[in-house]
Amino acid sequence: QSALTQPRSVSGSPGQSVTISCTGTSSDVGGYNYVSWYQQHPGKAPKLMIYDVSKRPSGVPDRFSGSKSGNTASLTISGLQAEDEADYYCCSYAGSYTSVVFGGGTKLTVL
Amino acid sequence: QVQLQESGPGLVKPSQTLSLTCTVSGGSISSGGYYWSWIRQHPGKGLEWIGYIYYSGSTYYNPSLKSRVTISVDTSKNQFSLKLSSVTAADTAVYYCARIPLTTVVIDYWGQGTLVTVSS
Repeated sequence: QSALTQPRSVSGSPGQSVTISCTGTSSDVGGYNYVSWYQQHPGKAPKLMIYDVSKRPSGVPDRFSGSKSGNTASLTISGLQAEDEADYYCCSYAGSYTSVVFGGGTKLTVL
Repeated sequence: QVQLQESGPGLVKPSQTLSLTCTVSGGSISSGGYYWSWIRQHPGKGLEWIGYIYYSGSTYYNPSLKSRVTISVDTSKNQFSLKLSSVTAADTAVYYCARIPLTTVVIDYWGQGTLVTVSS
């Protein structure tokens, strides 16, 4: 069982928006602004999409955005495209003892 | 452009020690500024942080694996390594090496991953 809770799957049609949630506790998501999101296509390594809750690395389309409210972080993908179909993982700092925790992953299907 | 590449045996027998090495290119581990990390992914499952090391040798381990994990660094070869002892089938996974900047908690570069199967 993963430390952070994500929906197992979400789906949307091309052009639509979807939001993936990531729920933790005040000891991880709620306690630090160190939430990141990763996209993983089958057989590939994860790719950083969002860091520090809402920052986008260079090269990541602005269709991807992140936010946080309390103990829940969210990744929103607007203007869905076929290539967005992948697994998405959230990650949070959890203090100096536990350090880093991940969500269980969400499979995004573009209908 | 930083690149990380895992190497090591793809098959390990139960009760033995899993050993992997990550070779870093495009940047020097000894220049500081980053933690060097190991992360694994069980087949069809999510990601699990194993631990990370600074170039000075300071280490941080996942408490659930701490008793079996050793991460070391060889700055002369620009490599860092993972040893996981007393492995079982539950340790079968894709193992990734990765980089984490000191300034924030984010995994900004990943290796391609290597599948390690624990089986007799």
